[in-house]
Amino acid sequence: DVKVTQSSRYLVKRTGEKVFLECVQDMDHENMFWYRQDPGLGLRLIYFSYDVKMKEKGDIPEGYSVSREKKERFSLILESASTNQTSMYLCASSPGTGGGEKLFFGSGTQLSVL
Amino acid sequence: GENVGLHLPTLSVQEGDNSIINCAYSNSASDYFIWYKQESGKGPQFIIDIRSNMDKRQGQRVTVLLNKTVKHLSLQIAATQPGDSAVYFCAEKVSDSWGKLQFGAGTQVVVTP
Repeated sequence: DVKVTQSSRYLVKRTGEKVFLECVQDMDHENMFWYRQDPGLGLRLIYFSYDVKMKEKGDIPEGYSVSREKKERFSLILESASTNQTSMYLCASSPGTGGGEKLFFGSGTQLSVL
Repeated sequence: GENVGLHLPTLSVQEGDNSIINCAYSNSASDYFIWYKQESGKGPQFIIDIRSNMDKRQGQRVTVLLNKTVKHLSLQIAATQPGDSAVYFCAEKVSDSWGKLQFGAGTQVVVTP
């Protein structure tokens, strides 16, 4: 089975801190995604990457950046955390072109910004 | 029980009954649809998917129906069990959109004994 691992299950940070959320997948998937999940709003796409060093903005990229230096790892960066970034963050991967669109999700990181 | 669209975010179902979760999708250019189940404290898990060239697909205890005419997707769960209690999300992928999925807000299913 595909495994998508997010480095932290819970994280508490202070306003203004730089925050790194790490995600690793073990199935050589081309595509990786970061979503945030808020009650009543479903999952909203922040950024995605379809190849190493490639990134594309999703629907809500403001206040976030990403890094994909290796195929298996996709990092989400909050340059200066704010309270409105308190949320559940979900990382996902998919095989990519010709391999299917089904997303495989990690368990999520619940981030609280105080 | 039946939930129509996203106006009833909670669906209460008696154990053993069939559940129907409905989803209205937005884009007529969407060519792939998928249902996820998310239990408390976990990431979403794949249930079943369907492409736009099909109108029905069956899995183990689950059936997905697609009506492209009215842009409607439904998930049927047979003989609902307590372990089916979760939030269910539908998602659509627009053709040629790099595998990006657009998710609905979700439906909370509560199975009562």
